[in-house]
Amino acid sequence: DIQMTQSPSSLSASVGDRVTITCRASQSISTYLNWYQQKPGKAPKLLVYAASSLQSGVPSRFSGSGSGTDFTLTITSLQPEDFATYFCQQSYIPPRTFGQGTKLEIK
Amino acid sequence: QVQLQESGPGLVKPSETLSLTCTVSGGSFSDNYWSWIRQPAGKGLEWIGRIYSTGGAHYNPSLENRITLSVDTSKKQFSLKLSSVTAADTAVYYCARDFLGPDAFDIWGQGTVVTVSS
Repeated sequence: DIQMTQSPSSLSASVGDRVTITCRASQSISTYLNWYQQKPGKAPKLLVYAASSLQSGVPSRFSGSGSGTDFTLTITSLQPEDFATYFCQQSYIPPRTFGQGTKLEIK
Repeated sequence: QVQLQESGPGLVKPSETLSLTCTVSGGSFSDNYWSWIRQPAGKGLEWIGRIYSTGGAHYNPSLENRITLSVDTSKKQFSLKLSSVTAADTAVYYCARDFLGPDAFDIWGQGTVVTVSS
């Protein structure tokens, strides 16, 4: 299985900050990388697919980049509703695997 | 718009079979892959498997010998059976559309909590 490793595991930031979350794959996955946001008690929500394509309806302050093994999710100008847990996920080779998550908390 | 809803028992006894159904409403069932994903409390996400609307399935090898996925196109439903459950199978179980275009889980059910306990 392809292992997905996110860093950091948790992050404290303030409203208006710019934050970056990193995801590393154990082997090259081209751009088959997706990002999800999950709030407590809710299902994950797709934010970015194919490494850098923004899902319809997702604010433009979210962006993704990377290819191969290293990927980033960037949120510019954090809003109160952005404090949540973020997961990366590869769809290059079955089984689909997820990163362990990054919890973004209010400083 | 497409919506998914999981249903099934919230409590299953150890060694028995967990059975869940996901009902799709508001959109097309055909020509899509449909997945099951689970999340133990406070932990990460694990993909269980997926099934195409015509019945072809792919399973996570870590669970493959215990999983059965099925579809009922007439009812726009797909189902999961997980046999010989243990406490380690206690989790929130989500169904999701595994959309071929972006190759991502673009629509999710709200999730259903399944507890394995005697």
